[in-house]
Amino acid sequence: DAKTTQPNSMESNEEEPVHLPCNHSTISGTDYIHWYRQLPSQGPEYVIHGLTSNVNNRMASLAIAEDRKSSTLILHRATLRDAAVYYCILRDNNDMRFGAGTRLTVKP
Amino acid sequence: DAGVIQSPRHEVTEMGQEVTLRCKPISGHDYLFWYRQTMMRGLELLIYFNNNVPIDDSGMPEDRFSAKMPNASFSTLKIQPSEPRDSAVYFCASSYGGLNTEAFFGQGTRLTVV
Repeated sequence: DAKTTQPNSMESNEEEPVHLPCNHSTISGTDYIHWYRQLPSQGPEYVIHGLTSNVNNRMASLAIAEDRKSSTLILHRATLRDAAVYYCILRDNNDMRFGAGTRLTVKP
Repeated sequence: DAGVIQSPRHEVTEMGQEVTLRCKPISGHDYLFWYRQTMMRGLELLIYFNNNVPIDDSGMPEDRFSAKMPNASFSTLKIQPSEPRDSAVYFCASSYGGLNTEAFFGQGTRLTVV
């Protein structure tokens, strides 16, 4: 029951911004939007999450559409270490289910 | 805190043997999640606990899989008997609180059943 849709893959150049999109047209009013990423050979790691307002932290920014049916994870300056699979997840109860994610490739 | 600790990091076993994977969550966390990751199926939620109580085990593939959380600092995932198709990386994660909090993942256990 995939509730989010992400592109399979994206490419970016090093030191350029990256915008990773996520569609969640069936989102409900109580769903939180979470982003995780998984670097090669590691467990997933938390990036950011939000409910309605845009959010910023040291890793990234999360832009949430006004109707909440889509969101965008923004990496302001991609580095080679940002190459990973990025997962957009809706949490409407306390479980946490992952989709296929977007594989980000960063070119030097 | 050392983070979520899983053991062993690697396990190779023969088909039919019992396998036990272990997880120590971050102290004070009240949610614990078990995942399985394969190339074909991605990252699948198997089961999660809240305050040591299993809440949703709908992702457990079959009766050969069982999970327990005898106390707040320890959980096990057991496969008996193991089969080659159980080969995967198994992750454990913990969080304090539910949907408005971040979860922390362990490094995973790579299981190979031959």
